[in-house]
This record gives sequence, structure tokens and C-alpha cells, in this order.
Amino acid sequence: ETGVTQSPTHLIKTRGQQVTLRCSSQSGHNTVSWYQQALGQGPQFIFQYYREEENGRGNFPPRFSGLQFPNYSSELNVNALELDDSALYLCASSPDRTGPSGANVLTFGAGSRLTVL
Amino acid sequence: QKEVEQDPGPLSVPEGAIVSLNCTYSNSAFQYFMWYRQYSRKGPELLMYTYSSGNKEDGRFTAQVDKSSKYISLFIRDSQPSDSATYLCAMILYGNKLVFGAGTILRVKS
Repeated sequence: ETGVTQSPTHLIKTRGQQVTLRCSSQSGHNTVSWYQQALGQGPQFIFQYYREEENGRGNFPPRFSGLQFPNYSSELNVNALELDDSALYLCASSPDRTGPSGANVLTFGAGSRLTVL
Repeated sequence: QKEVEQDPGPLSVPEGAIVSLNCTYSNSAFQYFMWYRQYSRKGPELLMYTYSSGNKEDGRFTAQVDKSSKYISLFIRDSQPSDSATYLCAMILYGNKLVFGAGTILRVKS
């Protein structure tokens, strides 16, 4: 059974550019969530995808968008990058869309570290 | 005021010590409480998952929840250098959306 894999692991962009981060969910998991973890902070919920639709969103502007594909993998896109977007972006998958009971099997990837210069 | 408050540390202890990590929260609607461990350059890894007030033990780890005080704790017995990591508390408001504390850096010295 494979875990959650994310790519790329590190990348550097400049202000105003766009970035796409990718996530492959754990086998058997149909729900993907994205979190942003700034240096020295806890992860913050960006949004969740279930059956290719957004299923809940945190306090992030529309320039943060996502996709989920039929194989449950997902992308996070960020447009018009700002310096404050520099962070570790974490993807987490789970087998259940609703219900906190799914949280005990929520599996995080190692993250993609984005640096915006 | 943040929904979840957690002292960032760092907390430095000698090997074998009992470690106490804590979080307070403001929203009484939180029902599920978790502790994650995060090593440098890695994603969070679930350590403990609790629902009700009281204690839950798993090996050297004990999670404690006091809903009346909106206070949760993680105790680590016989701490080891391999326990050195950032410990994140997290809570669920709805669905699978987790609300995290800022994390406490723990250093266990051999």
C-alpha cells in the first residue's frame, strides 16, 4: 500500500508567477485536502476535494484553486504568487468525505516546499 | 484570538524525562482531538486520536482531554532522542477540516 506522494518536493518561483503542485492520494482514499504550513506555524486548511468537486474551503483567496481527477489525485494551483505564499504545502488523503471519523486515517504527504522570491 | 493556542517552545528535556505538551482552544464545538508528530522536512504523522474527555494511552504516549476547560495534553514517558520533533495538536470542527495549533518543538538530549 503506497502512501501520499507529492511533487515537486522543492521549487522556487518569483512574485507574480503561477505554480502547480501535485498529489497522489493513498490507495483506497477518495478525498484529498490541501494545507499550507508557513515556517514556525501549524498547517492551515486550504480546501478539500471529493469526487472531483471542492468540498469545503478555508480562508484563502480565489487565486488558490484546485482540481481532483478521476483517479483521486489532485493539483493545487496558485496564481499571482506573493512572498507570503512561501510555505510547505501539504496534501492529505482520507477514505471518507464527511465525518470526523475519517480523521483518524487522514494521511499526509511530505509536502512541497515553495519559496517565492 | 487564535482558535487553538499552543506554546511553540522549544522544550528541551533530558533523555528519560516525562514530557508534557499542551493546547488550549476557544471553540466548544470541537469534538475530536488529535496529536501529530512532525519531523523536519516531513509531513505530520498521527500519534493520538481522541473523542471524549478523559485519558487515552498508547505505549509511552497518553492523550488527555478536558472539554470543560478546553484544554488538551499529550504526555510522553521515558522520552527518547528519537522523540525530538515538532508536536502539533489538531481539532476537528466539521468534516475532515483540521484546525492546528502552531506546534511545540521538542528536543530530547541524550
